[in-house]
Amino acid sequence: GAVVSQHPSWVICKSGTSVKIECRSLDFQATTMFWYRQFPKQSLMLMATSNEGSKATYEQGVEKDKFLINHASLTLSTLTVTSAHPEDSSFYICSARGTEPSYSNQPQHFGDGTRLSIL
Amino acid sequence: KQEVTQIPAALSVPEGENLVLNCSFTDSAIYNLQWFRQDPGKGLTSLLLIQSSQREQTSGRLNASLDKSSGRSTLYIAASQPGDSATYLCAVRRQGGSEKLVFGKGTKLTVNP
Repeated sequence: GAVVSQHPSWVICKSGTSVKIECRSLDFQATTMFWYRQFPKQSLMLMATSNEGSKATYEQGVEKDKFLINHASLTLSTLTVTSAHPEDSSFYICSARGTEPSYSNQPQHFGDGTRLSIL
Repeated sequence: KQEVTQIPAALSVPEGENLVLNCSFTDSAIYNLQWFRQDPGKGLTSLLLIQSSQREQTSGRLNASLDKSSGRSTLYIAASQPGDSATYLCAVRRQGGSEKLVFGKGTKLTVNP
């Protein structure tokens, strides 16, 4: 159980393109999803927390107008990198947290990540 | 600001050896600590989660300990196998309402047959 699917797994596109990444919880409902970014040889860094039906909360230094997050249902959150540039090339990973029986003790379950390469 | 450090950055051992991975954190006011495994180009697989009130957790050949007051955790892997080769990440969640996880850079483990 607790499977999180992330799509696509790999994207290569030209500078200036907008790219959408999907994160789905397949067998549980996730009111909260998290988006992380990992640069080579660096630790995962939380970008934003996504709550179903409300605006995402962004970490300091993350541009909310560049990284658009939509969490329209209890099983799907999307991250759109708008007007992507080479410096946005990174590994993006989402995680989802269930709600039962007690959200406070639920671990985050991670997707397989999306490798984004901007040429 | 919470900082998480993992030592060593890389470790290579022969198959069958018992080994210990280390994780330290600067702020002891944590809610829980989690160990993950990450295979190359892949996401994270949760291995063990230790609540702040716990001292250790065990799963199969894995044992994780937590000493909150000293800001340390260790992951013990018994009888290592080539399939254990991966990067092991430690992450802490602080006390309070935030669910933010702060990660270390990981220890890259290679188990040689």
